[in-house]
Amino acid sequence: GAVVSQHPSRVICKSGTSVKIECRSLDFQATTMFWYRQFPKQSLMLMATSNEGSKATYEQGVEKDKFLINHASLTLSTLTVTSAHPEDSSFYICSAHTGQGAQETQYFGPGTRLLVL
Amino acid sequence: GQNIDQPTEMTATEGAIVQINCTYQTSGFNGLFWYQQHAGEAPTFLSYNVLDGLEEKGRFSSFLSRSKGYSYLLLKELQMKDSASYLCAVLRNTGGFKTIFGAGTRLFVKA
Repeated sequence: GAVVSQHPSRVICKSGTSVKIECRSLDFQATTMFWYRQFPKQSLMLMATSNEGSKATYEQGVEKDKFLINHASLTLSTLTVTSAHPEDSSFYICSAHTGQGAQETQYFGPGTRLLVL
Repeated sequence: GQNIDQPTEMTATEGAIVQINCTYQTSGFNGLFWYQQHAGEAPTFLSYNVLDGLEEKGRFSSFLSRSKGYSYLLLKELQMKDSASYLCAVLRNTGGFKTIFGAGTRLFVKA
């Protein structure tokens, strides 16, 4: 099946630093990628929709200047958490949308666990 | 607005059958996903329903009724490894695709 990779899988950083997370679709092209955040024992919350070659669409309450998204190619999207703070500690997961009609699906990356000290 | 509801927790016995329901209200409905998520891991794809009816895939089946805004995931011959969270998610198309997740149902399978 299709594979989506995320790097890094785990990050520990000091408060105030920036962290970049990469999401790659390894064997298919994804015009749309999604970034989610998941806190413990909660469901996935959509942060933004990333479209190749255009600006990301952010969900209400998500600061676009803090969570920078770049979708440089059909196989790569990056999320940069700028000036990270302890409250940004979470599990960040990307997914890539592919297929059409009944064949549509989304494949998820393995996630990046961010801990801000 | 949009709303996705599913039970918070369910418990079932190994070897039994369990049905996890999901109701939704949304505009621009395109289809409905079911995902399985084990603790600390990313979700894995189980099914995607676009048309009304039941789709069977091994021990797992998924049903959709678009007119009723209702879906269920049916798990047969439960195994201990099926203990996980099951996420119902709606794919919306309102000028662009967006997937919105329900809160998930934590399934506990007991011996």
